[in-house]
Amino acid sequence: QITLKESGPALVKPTQTLTLTCTFSGFSLSTRGVGVGWIRQPPGKALEWLALIYWDDDTRYSPSLKTRLTITKDTSKNQVVLTMTNMDPVDTATYYCAHRLSDTPMDYYFDYWGQGTLLTVSS
Amino acid sequence: EIVLTQSPATLSLSPGDRATLSCRASQSVSSYLAWYQQKPGQAPRLLIYDTSNRATGVPARFSGSGSGTDFTLTISSLEPEDFAVYYCQQRTFGQGTKVEIK
Repeated sequence: QITLKESGPALVKPTQTLTLTCTFSGFSLSTRGVGVGWIRQPPGKALEWLALIYWDDDTRYSPSLKTRLTITKDTSKNQVVLTMTNMDPVDTATYYCAHRLSDTPMDYYFDYWGQGTLLTVSS
Repeated sequence: EIVLTQSPATLSLSPGDRATLSCRASQSVSSYLAWYQQKPGQAPRLLIYDTSNRATGVPARFSGSGSGTDFTLTISSLEPEDFAVYYCQQRTFGQGTKVEIK
């Protein structure tokens, strides 16, 4: 079965760079059509889509955050890494990685999600 | 960027009631709209994609409809486990509708 799990620091300071890792199983990111995305959710607030990477290294970024985000993959390790620069307290949120629903032309449907990792940005 | 506006913000209903949730897009999204359910402390769960297709394992009491800019998620008869927050999504997400027990 498909599982995903996020890992990374629980706390970063303002202006620092965040690195989050998504380790997955049950699928391969070398299979045509497969993608993995990142979504975040500030405490008590709505979801926000951040980035997506496809099997062929094609990437998509949220327009409002694209200058701060980089998404990469390591197919051999079954991992996807998200980096976000210049962190700010407003970036405090639970960060989720998720598997893109395959067999659809739509980029942004996610059918399997990790449990999420809570990140706090504070000095 | 397309903005999705959900209404109402909160829906107070009883088990067995019919729930109707709305999502309006700031411009046409054709039929490319999904619905998710989220319970406290849990990750979202995909319910509906492409407006009306139920995801794997989703009960038939959940249905979606609409096109263009106006979409609806209907829960035909609320079960106790259906009280949760529901989000619509195209790329961006709506702000959510909380379905709470009356």
